[in-house]
Amino acid sequence: EAGVTQFPSHSVIEKGQTVTLRCDPISGHDNLYWYRRVMGKEIKFLLHFVKESKQDESGMPNNRFLAERTGGTYSTLKVQPAELEDSGVYFCASSPRFLTNSGNTIYFGEGSWLTVV
Amino acid sequence: GENVEQHPSTLSVQEGDSAVIKCTYSDSASNYFPWYKQELGKGPQLIIDIRSNVGEKKDQRIAVTLNKTAKHFSLHITETQPEDSAVYFCAVPNFGNEKLTFGTGTRLTIIP
Repeated sequence: EAGVTQFPSHSVIEKGQTVTLRCDPISGHDNLYWYRRVMGKEIKFLLHFVKESKQDESGMPNNRFLAERTGGTYSTLKVQPAELEDSGVYFCASSPRFLTNSGNTIYFGEGSWLTVV
Repeated sequence: GENVEQHPSTLSVQEGDSAVIKCTYSDSASNYFPWYKQELGKGPQLIIDIRSNVGEKKDQRIAVTLNKTAKHFSLHITETQPEDSAVYFCAVPNFGNEKLTFGTGTRLTIIP
């Protein structure tokens, strides 16, 4: 079974440009999450989709970040325009519904490593 | 929201010795406690988890213990090996929600 896949794995862009990150969750997982780890710090929550609906976007830093999950399958996270402080690694994760049910857990992708120069 | 504290932030252990990392949390309703390992250049990988109906769970050299009364849980790695070197994160779900709040991470270094 394929895991969570993310694209691109690495991206270097100039300040002011736009970057779009893509995530393909594990097939059948309704929950899709975006997290970010900046400068070796903790993994911070950005937002949570249940199927195509945004369940919680309380972690989105500002309106330069836009996430979509059309059709409830893959998701994109767009940063426009990018700023220096946006540099970091963006992780996508997925899980079945009802995370705390026995046997359910969150699986992470390898991350999209973004550098804004 | 959930508040998760993780200690220590860095830990160096001689190969073959044991390592222990501890996390405390604030929401007493939390009932699922995973540990993730992040190696350099990779995403977090689940290594072990525990649910609140048990106090301890073991998987080969890795174990997790849970004290719900005190609201803390710990990761134990025995007979450490160089490949155990990584950053380890604990996490706790927000009750009534389905997202994880992560600890600040522990950078574990195994000294050969």
